[in-house]
Amino acid sequence: ETGVTQSPTHLIKTRGQQVTLRCSSQSGHNTVSWYQQALGQGPQFIFQYYREEENGRGNFPPRFSGLQFPNYSSELNVNALELDDSALYLCASSGGQGTFVHNEQFFGPGTRLTVL
Amino acid sequence: GQNIDQPTEMTATEGAIVQINCTYQTSGFNGLFWYQQHAGEAPTFLSYNVLDGLEEKGRFSSFLSRSKGYSYLLLKELQMKDSASYLCAVRGSNDYKLSFGAGTTVTVRA
Repeated sequence: ETGVTQSPTHLIKTRGQQVTLRCSSQSGHNTVSWYQQALGQGPQFIFQYYREEENGRGNFPPRFSGLQFPNYSSELNVNALELDDSALYLCASSGGQGTFVHNEQFFGPGTRLTVL
Repeated sequence: GQNIDQPTEMTATEGAIVQINCTYQTSGFNGLFWYQQHAGEAPTFLSYNVLDGLEEKGRFSSFLSRSKGYSYLLLKELQMKDSASYLCAVRGSNDYKLSFGAGTTVTVRA
């Protein structure tokens, strides 16, 4: 059973550019959530995808968008990057049958995005 | 909305016990989670409480009082590897997102 994976590990962009981050959910999980974690802070919920549909969104502007694919992997897209978008972006997967009593979320290693 | 508070930092000695408190005010409640996060790494699940009381899991225990909006994580027999940030997170009634506190950085000293 493979865990949650994310790519790339690190990324450097400049203001105004666009970025796509990728996440593969843990085997058997059908739900993917994205979080932004600024340095010294807890993760902030961006949105969640369940069976290819957005299933809830946090307080992030529309330039943050996402997709989920039939294999439950997911992308996070951020347009018109701003300096404050510099953060660790975490993907977490959950859901599935039988194994997850508490429906806890399992986090990937994250993508460290730096906007210059 | 959600408001989750936990201390910023705590320091303890190897072999000792540390208790990390978390208070929350949420618009709905469907469980409280504790995660451990080492610097530069992803959060890893430690414990879950949805009913009042104590859940024990080896050296780690977590307590919940829903009426008080209060939880704590108890770390016993501290080891150097327990130096990390500990995140308290609440799941709202819609069951689709976790709201995290800012995390408590625990430093274990020899």
